[in-house]
Amino acid sequence: GAGVSQTPSNKVTEKGKYVELRCDPISGHTALYWYRQSLGQGPEFLIYFQGTGAADDSGLPNDRFFAVRPEGSVSTLKIQRTERGDSAVYLCASSLRGIIDTQYFGPGTRLTVL
Amino acid sequence: EDQVTQSPEALRLQEGESSSLNCSYTVSGLRGLFWYRQDPGKGPEFLFTLYSAGEEKEKERLKATLTKKESFLHITAPKPEDSATYLCAVQATSGSRLTFGEGTQLTVNP
Repeated sequence: GAGVSQTPSNKVTEKGKYVELRCDPISGHTALYWYRQSLGQGPEFLIYFQGTGAADDSGLPNDRFFAVRPEGSVSTLKIQRTERGDSAVYLCASSLRGIIDTQYFGPGTRLTVL
Repeated sequence: EDQVTQSPEALRLQEGESSSLNCSYTVSGLRGLFWYRQDPGKGPEFLFTLYSAGEEKEKERLKATLTKKESFLHITAPKPEDSATYLCAVQATSGSRLTFGEGTQLTVNP
């Protein structure tokens, strides 16, 4: 079946602008995760959804970052007033039920803030 | 705070030359240790999950092992298509997030 999909694959924006990144999880997966990966680093956790609710948002770096999952499927990561330091690959992962299940990753969105 | 350290940072092998990658970890309580493979420009691809010390798992030329402090990914007779970055991650019993190491970049020359 289809894997996790993310759009856009690349996003270039200017400092101070607002961006939205979209994630479509594997069909039937109730858990969804966002991670951020800088060049040469491993992915860093941002937020975890179980269904429609954010079960753990302790990885969000500040209040410019926000994520939603209104219907328990597609999720959108929103970044306000972007900064050059936000440039990274944003990865989405989903798992069947949550904690004990394997997380399967999408291809990522490469965000570049000029 | 959970921590994962991978070594070496980069490894070059000749085709057929077996070797091992190391993942050292500290975690409050281990629920699982995960190995992923990541190709350039792509997301991590799941390889293995290990849950308890002494456990081993194999897939083709790869074998993962786990102790109470570290995990090894053994690569037997590697091929050029095994070239990738290998990521190790831990999941603590206290949550669901994965904490990743920085990865080992493996290059296998023909």
